[in-house]
Amino acid sequence: RKEVEQDPGPFNVPEGATVAFNCTYSNSASQSFFWYRQDCRKEPKLLMSVYSSGNEDGRFTAQLNRASQYISLLIRDSKLSDSATYLCVVDSPSGGYQKVTFGTGTKLQVIP
Amino acid sequence: DAMVIQNPRYQVTQFGKPVTLSCSQTLNHNVMYWYQQKSSQAPKLLFHYYDKDFNNEADTPDNFQSRRPNTSFCFLDIRSPGLGDAAMYLCATRPHGQVNQPQHFGDGTRLSIL
Repeated sequence: RKEVEQDPGPFNVPEGATVAFNCTYSNSASQSFFWYRQDCRKEPKLLMSVYSSGNEDGRFTAQLNRASQYISLLIRDSKLSDSATYLCVVDSPSGGYQKVTFGTGTKLQVIP
Repeated sequence: DAMVIQNPRYQVTQFGKPVTLSCSQTLNHNVMYWYQQKSSQAPKLLFHYYDKDFNNEADTPDNFQSRRPNTSFCFLDIRSPGLGDAAMYLCATRPHGQVNQPQHFGDGTRLSIL
């Protein structure tokens, strides 16, 4: 089983739709969780951290479920500019430092 | 203001010709990472530094080396690039010991091999 798994998509959704991505992780000791956004041929950019109580930033909501070991990202009222790949990133303790593991990403295409 | 700067943005080299990619940061973060990312794949960690403490991933080929002369700078050396090394190379930084602190990425260097 991969350490961090995401549905690769692509998710093709119309403008204005709500879309949700899930990400599962295998290490129950994982401590920190993030969603990054990556545009084609660009570097990953932090979208939001994921906190235990869940958090919201405008149209974006992130949730963490430690019992089931998954995190989710909800995008409401999708815009064309939301089209990108969304990477799930998980931090786990490993030999005295934090090991950072990326999921393979979920591709989102918002269509007019 | 760019806080993690990678140079060059695009690098073309010949098969087997050594190449060096550079990364600098103004964040004073003590952890620096080098990733390789190929098309439609997740970034793959090559190695990282905790200050000067070098940590190599087990599956990073010997062809890839790194140097960190000081806190601000880190270099990736590819001794004999092969066609399979064509990829985007990403540098990232992070403060050590702080949970919930994300990585900060540079713009990346896109490496092509002729």
